[in-house]
Amino acid sequence: GENVEQHPSTLSVQEGDSAVIKCTYSDSASNYFPWYKQELGKRPQLIIDIRSNVGEKKDQRIAVTLNKTAKHFSLHITETQPEDSAVYFCAASLTGSARQLTFGSGTQLTVLP
Amino acid sequence: DVKVTQSSRYLVKRTGEKVFLECVQDMDHENMFWYRQDPGLGLRLIYFSYDVKMKEKGDIPEGYSVSREKKERFSLILESASTNQTSMYLCASSLQREAYEQYFGPGTRLTVT
Repeated sequence: GENVEQHPSTLSVQEGDSAVIKCTYSDSASNYFPWYKQELGKRPQLIIDIRSNVGEKKDQRIAVTLNKTAKHFSLHITETQPEDSAVYFCAASLTGSARQLTFGSGTQLTVLP
Repeated sequence: DVKVTQSSRYLVKRTGEKVFLECVQDMDHENMFWYRQDPGLGLRLIYFSYDVKMKEKGDIPEGYSVSREKKERFSLILESASTNQTSMYLCASSLQREAYEQYFGPGTRLTVT
């Protein structure tokens, strides 16, 4: 099955700096790569996603890049703010019966004021 | 607005007890999922269902079973709870024909003593 590795497990940045979280996946047939954000005590929520026919996608301060050849994808957050502090999960999906996701182990991002 | 609810936020059970966790979604989603979330391990898929009465094993199905008798409801059953099943359990749902986004419930923190 699919295996997703995520790094780093913790990341601290100064407010206003950029943050980058990286993930690798094992199955070259994976074709959908979402990122979820989970604030403390809350449920995970989708923040951005990318499909395998696209190399980069941007939404305001967040962007995701995908390198299919190397089988890795990254989340970039620019001009970080305290409300960006959360756990971020990457995931990968094969086209299956329910398009189930395989998640990475998560990155705890802390934005220091 | 998609709403996914879970029967309990906190649950304490004894070793050997049979435990039922229930999830209900109100958006007519075909797919439903059960995950457990443990620190440093991310979200691990236990079981999923893409239709009523259909179920498939995820990555860690041992010790669990599921039931989906109605489209909106997906139950996770711990046949004989053990201490290593102490965890946060998250339910999610998604549309089968849509862009794979999964909507999560608030989670159930289960403690087995």
